[in-house]
Order: sequence, then structure tokens, then C-alpha cells
Amino acid sequence: EAQVTQNPRYLITVTGKKLTVTCSQNMNHEYMSWYRQDPGLGLRQIYYSMNVEVTDKGDVPEGYKVSRKEKRNFPLILESPSPNQTSLYFCASSLLRGEQFFGPGTRLTVL
Amino acid sequence: DAKTTQPNSMESNEEEPVHLPCNHSTISGTDYIHWYRQLPSQGPEYVIHGLTSNVNNRMASLAIAEDRKSSTLILHRATLRDAAVYYCILSNAGKSTFGDGTTLTVKP
Repeated sequence: EAQVTQNPRYLITVTGKKLTVTCSQNMNHEYMSWYRQDPGLGLRQIYYSMNVEVTDKGDVPEGYKVSRKEKRNFPLILESPSPNQTSLYFCASSLLRGEQFFGPGTRLTVL
Repeated sequence: DAKTTQPNSMESNEEEPVHLPCNHSTISGTDYIHWYRQLPSQGPEYVIHGLTSNVNNRMASLAIAEDRKSSTLILHRATLRDAAVYYCILSNAGKSTFGDGTTLTVKP
């Protein structure tokens, strides 16, 4: 089944404790993205990747890192999480200019 | 960066057509117009996309203005399952900008 998976689905952590949210897709898509969604708002793009080792900043990259060492994986790294990074995070993948397939979301709470 | 503007909410009666507008006056020539919808507690779901010409698929139609500064998503016969938040997005080589979305309510 074609899908985008994210882990963990739920995470509660404390300020400053490094964490990684994994994202994996099985559709051989070139493009992958990370978004955050805050209550009542649309999605805001954090980072995106056009292929292996090619990443670029979205609209809200501060406080986040990404890497794309393999085509199928695109982890999101929070080196020192802060409470303002409490949010719902979505990973997505697509072909060039095609529809984006979204993962189920990761709900992160930073205390 | 290009931005999109959508009405906060719209209502429709079941089995009637719905026209959801989106303004994107700062669109660039290479921006694609995408529409997604999102149900509570779920990730966005693709609806339709286009560049310049109007597009039709099994879910909806997309009408794009000649100057590309606005577009309209058309649901031909709304059903209760179409109630969702609809997002108009500009997408260009991986960079995607979401608007705040329109909450569509469908009344039986």
C-alpha cells in the first residue's frame, strides 16, 4: 500500500531535549516536506527536499533541521525543542508538481 | 512569497453545487494551484491541481482565471462527506504555501 509513515504519532517531551521525528515513504517520490499546523491555522512548510542531499527552507525553518540521506526517509530534528514548537506535524511526499501524499501526523508537546 | 486568500467559512446544502474561491494575486508564472481538504484529526487529502487551464477529475473541477490571480474549486454536488477545511495552495518545485483554508459546512 502506498503510504507515508511518521513516528512517533504522539510525543511529550521537555524543553531542550533533542528529538527526531521520522518520516518514510514507499512511493519513490523525489519531493518530501515537513509542515506544522497550529490550532485554527493552515499548514506552514518547515523544510522541503527535492531529492537525496537536496533540502531547502520553507516558511518557518527556525529551530528545525532535516536530512535526506536516502530517498525514502526525511527525518525532522529538533535539536533543542522549546514550548513554541508544540504543534501538529505532517510529513508529505510527491512527484514533481504532483499531488502531495500526507502522513497521519505527529502531535508534539514540549513542556 | 506568494500567498493565498480564502473566505473563512462557507455553507452549502446537500446535493447542491459549491464554489470555493481563492485569491492569489502574487502568483508567479511557475506556481501550480493545488487544492487539498482536511478532515478533523487527519492529514490533508489531495483534491485537484492545475497551472493555467481548467481541470476536471472525479472529485471536483478547478476553474482558473485567465490572469491566474484567482481560482475556484467547484464541487458539483456536495455531500455530507464533503464537509471539511479546504485549502488553496501555491506550489513551485517543492515550495508550498498554504492559505488558512475555508471551512465548508454541508447542511442536509
